[in-house]
Amino acid sequence: DSGVTQTPKHLITATGQRVTLRCSPRSGDLSVYWYQQSLDQGLQFLIQYYNGEERAKGNILERFSAQQFPDLHSELNLSSLELGDSALYFCASSATSGSANEQFFGPGTRLTVL
Amino acid sequence: EDQVTQSPEALRLQEGESSSLNCSYTVSGLRGLFWYRQDPGKGPEFLFTLYSAGEEKEKERLKATLTKKESFLHITAPKPEDSATYLCAARYNFNKFYFGSGTKLNVKP
Repeated sequence: DSGVTQTPKHLITATGQRVTLRCSPRSGDLSVYWYQQSLDQGLQFLIQYYNGEERAKGNILERFSAQQFPDLHSELNLSSLELGDSALYFCASSATSGSANEQFFGPGTRLTVL
Repeated sequence: EDQVTQSPEALRLQEGESSSLNCSYTVSGLRGLFWYRQDPGKGPEFLFTLYSAGEEKEKERLKATLTKKESFLHITAPKPEDSATYLCAARYNFNKFYFGSGTKLNVKP
């Protein structure tokens, strides 16, 4: 158990809908990262937050947004969902904003868009 | 574009048969090279971080090494429980992370 929690575990929704994925980092970790893992694309870095502020952006679509709250939990919002958004979404946390500390991954949320 | 490439895509070994996994990366702007293990349906589990050419790190049957353009994950006398997908990731300037597509390792008893 990495100490990172993600909810829900599974999510099934329809095209055009909007969903919110939630992540609680390990106790004491200030950085949260979001990743998308699909069969054809592998693990893709989406975005990083550090202590409430956006720190780095990867291949995140404009339909997707994220935020980190004062209690350090983070939410990833996915809107106007398409079939291709079906994937495993992972959250990871680390103690600082840099890569000196390894990232600890949560169990993931499996999103299915029908 | 920054890129991380892993080979082979899949590797089948007999228990006790040592081998190496390869990860090649774009050199410019590298800030760290990471190895993770991922079991089916689970999040990646951190193994090692390497920062400079010549650096080596070991953990049980695994040893990670870094050269100027490649990293290797050496597996010595593997056991069936080492079966997993091994992911290599690179961090570049501005905290951008790129993962390779992984090597799926299957160790037969």
